[in-house]
Amino acid sequence: DGGITQSPKYLFRKEGQNVTLSCEQNLNHDAMYWYRQDPGQGLRLIYYSQIVNDFQKGDIAEGYSVSREKKESFPLTVTSAQKNPTAFYLCASSSPGTTEAFFGQGTRLTVV
Amino acid sequence: QKEVEQNSGPLSVPEGAIASLNCTYSDRGSQSFFWYRQYSGKSPELIMFIYSNGDKEDGRFTAQLNKASQYVSLLIRDSQPSDSATYLCAPAGNMLTFGGGTRLMVKP
Repeated sequence: DGGITQSPKYLFRKEGQNVTLSCEQNLNHDAMYWYRQDPGQGLRLIYYSQIVNDFQKGDIAEGYSVSREKKESFPLTVTSAQKNPTAFYLCASSSPGTTEAFFGQGTRLTVV
Repeated sequence: QKEVEQNSGPLSVPEGAIASLNCTYSDRGSQSFFWYRQYSGKSPELIMFIYSNGDKEDGRFTAQLNKASQYVSLLIRDSQPSDSATYLCAPAGNMLTFGGGTRLMVKP
């Protein structure tokens, strides 16, 4: 079945540590996105990528980094520079022409 | 001004009524839009894509796009308690940015 998969579902991080969230899709979508969602809030765009080896900052890129070495994969690293990383992280991908866009099931990151 | 604006709600409707959710946007170049439903603690699920002026119907859902007035709306007929969720709109484009969402509550 085609879809978009995020892992892990839950992640705990100690303060000062970097952590990488995985996002993989087998929908043959060109574009991929990362969002952050805080409780009771909307989706804020962190980074997005339209093609392999290229990505752009969204509204809240500080403290995050990404790579896009393969079409299927768009991992997000939450660095120690991100001062308040506890949140729900969502990855999405969209088709050429953006006629469909689907989300993964999300990763809930907690700093302990 | 945010690119996409939605009333955060909550919008409360009785079971069986029509729920009307609205979204305004600032970029006149936006040509098509997505509507998503998000249950608490879950990821958004795509419910509608609309790209032309007028109405698009899918079951109990009707999306309406008015490019001249720069708004897109979602009507839910015969609302059910299971429709209680947050509804998000987004212009389909390079950045895929979202409005803040409208929380809908359908009361039995």
